[in-house]
Amino acid sequence: AQKITQTQPGMFVQEKEAVTLDCTYDTSDPSYGLFWYKQPSSGEMIFLIYQGSYDQQNATEGRYSLNFQKARKSANLVISASQLGDSAMYFCAKCLVFGNEKLTFGTGTRLTIIP
Amino acid sequence: GAGVSQSPSNKVTEKGKDVELRCDPISGHTALYWYRQSLGQGLEFLIYFQGNSAPDKSGLPSDRFSAERTGGSVSTLTIQRTQQEDSAVYLCASSLNPQGLSDEQYFGPGTRLTVT
Repeated sequence: AQKITQTQPGMFVQEKEAVTLDCTYDTSDPSYGLFWYKQPSSGEMIFLIYQGSYDQQNATEGRYSLNFQKARKSANLVISASQLGDSAMYFCAKCLVFGNEKLTFGTGTRLTIIP
Repeated sequence: GAGVSQSPSNKVTEKGKDVELRCDPISGHTALYWYRQSLGQGLEFLIYFQGNSAPDKSGLPSDRFSAERTGGSVSTLTIQRTQQEDSAVYLCASSLNPQGLSDEQYFGPGTRLTVT
């Protein structure tokens, strides 16, 4: 079975600092995609960033970047210059690229930004 | 444009009753997914629709759970004879799902189901 591991159940970070959220995964699939979603206390799941296993470069979206190390099977999310509004649960997820792209989620990291 | 909508937003039901949860995906999205989020189990996949067919029902926890999708659009998740362990937030997501390219899934706000 696919397994996504997020080893940090909770993190506290000072405002304006950078933060790295860890994610590792099991896979024997040749092609797959990795996602990060943010879930604020309101409950909606907000897409942040996507990395394809075949992508040569690490994905970036504004203040979000993905440190993708394929050989290590890790896909850490880096948030630069953290803001109070970044406080939320963060989920790493994986899917296959072809066909059924159901997401397998990690257990999440609760990030709290301290003013 | 309109995002994914789900109804009801909250549902409280008595153990043993049937419930129906509805999902309206983004117009034109061919792929639709149901997930469940609970404290004990985290976020779990339930079922995947491509158009009106469901090629993957592997996440449905028991035969009390069923889902259908009509007209390639609206989907209904039905839970029969609800049990307390069915209490969770049921999330629906949709995507364009062009073949061969992973596509962002857009999530609805969820339905919070409480079985008393």
